[in-house]
Amino acid sequence: GAVVSQHPSRVICKSGTSVKIECRSLDFQATTMFWYRQFPKQSLMLMATSNEGSKATYEQGVEKDKFLINHASLTLSTLTVTSAHPEDSSFYICSARRDNWEAFFGQGTRLTVV
Amino acid sequence: EDQVTQSPEALRLQEGESSSLNCSYTVSGLRGLFWYRQDPGKGPEFLFTLYSAGEEKEKERLKATLTKKESFLHITAPKPEDSATYLCAVQATAAGNKLTFGGGTRVLVKP
Repeated sequence: GAVVSQHPSRVICKSGTSVKIECRSLDFQATTMFWYRQFPKQSLMLMATSNEGSKATYEQGVEKDKFLINHASLTLSTLTVTSAHPEDSSFYICSARRDNWEAFFGQGTRLTVV
Repeated sequence: EDQVTQSPEALRLQEGESSSLNCSYTVSGLRGLFWYRQDPGKGPEFLFTLYSAGEEKEKERLKATLTKKESFLHITAPKPEDSATYLCAVQATAAGNKLTFGGGTRVLVKP
């Protein structure tokens, strides 16, 4: 299957700082990228959908000013958690799709805010 | 609203004990149903896509089937390495590129 690389896999940051997570599709051009959040023993919760060159569409209840998404190219999307707080600690996963093909996922990023 | 329900939530199997996981869905129009495997602390790994009722796909010990209301993931003679959470997701025709995920089934295969 296609490869989606997510970096970093783990990050610990201080409360009040910002953290950037990168998601790259390595061997295909992704028309759409998705960002999910996953709590322990729960399924994936969609945060936002982004298409290259346009603004991200956020799901209800997700603060767009807190979770900044940039989809600068067909192979790169970034999620920046701004002014992070302990309640933002979670497992964040990106996904990339080309048209209506299968969605491929990154390895996930474990964010811990202390 | 599109809904996906997976059952059971958890499944404990002995090695070699075949079983099936269920994914029931309600969508206005189904564009595709996807199965993924997720290991702890990792992102989901793509397994299958099913598009229409009656379709079946196989990969090693796994076989996925689809009807108009549900999908089954059959695990034949499982091995301990099949232990994982299995996620089902649907894409509705009206949902653009978005997938709606079920809650997952945690499978533990004991040797």
